[in-house]
Amino acid sequence: DTAVSQTPKYLVTQMGNDKSIKCEQNLGHDTMYWYKQDSKKFLKIMFSYNNKELIINETVPNRFSPKSPDKAHLNLHINSLELGDSAVYFCASSRGGSNEKLFFGSGTQLSVL
Amino acid sequence: DAKTTQPPSMDCAEGRAANLPCNHSTISGNEYVYWYRQIHSQGPQYIIHGLKNNETNEMASLIITEDRKSSTLILPHATLRDTAVYYCIVSPLRGTASKLTFGTGTRLQVTL
Repeated sequence: DTAVSQTPKYLVTQMGNDKSIKCEQNLGHDTMYWYKQDSKKFLKIMFSYNNKELIINETVPNRFSPKSPDKAHLNLHINSLELGDSAVYFCASSRGGSNEKLFFGSGTQLSVL
Repeated sequence: DAKTTQPPSMDCAEGRAANLPCNHSTISGNEYVYWYRQIHSQGPQYIIHGLKNNETNEMASLIITEDRKSSTLILPHATLRDTAVYYCIVSPLRGTASKLTFGTGTRLQVTL
């Protein structure tokens, strides 16, 4: 079983559309994250949730809205997609909000045309 | 978070030890040193972390200088599958202010 799974793996869409990326972890972790890796390969944290509560919210446009229905899931919804949103988005999880060992998913490559 | 400095790229022959340096001269007392790697088209993978003592696990060894201003990740017997970008990160272990900030890393190329 995959520890942190994201769907879809690839997402191609038009500007202005709304899309969602789903993430699930089966590790029993309390904390989940969304990271964005841009074309220059910089990997930046976007959000962090601990037990369904938002604890880190970097400077991310309001068009990005994370939702955590339970501590095993953290979905990312993006409204009014822009060209600059094209990137690889990684979901991750860790135990107890610790940086000790983050487990990352395999990524979702989003292409906005 | 403290910043880290790593060489942009390194080569290593298969079977040899790969020694990846990292400078973190502004590290704070409560900040740990973490190493992650990212193999092409995959998510980052945790390797090892430490505070001030040297650490070893099944993947690698971490050597931290006594003043904690630099560290070295050692892959004792590099294989082709170790070709990846290696990130050195410093951050507190916990807390709302703690987050892993990935820099540009070192691209390690393991060759035959």
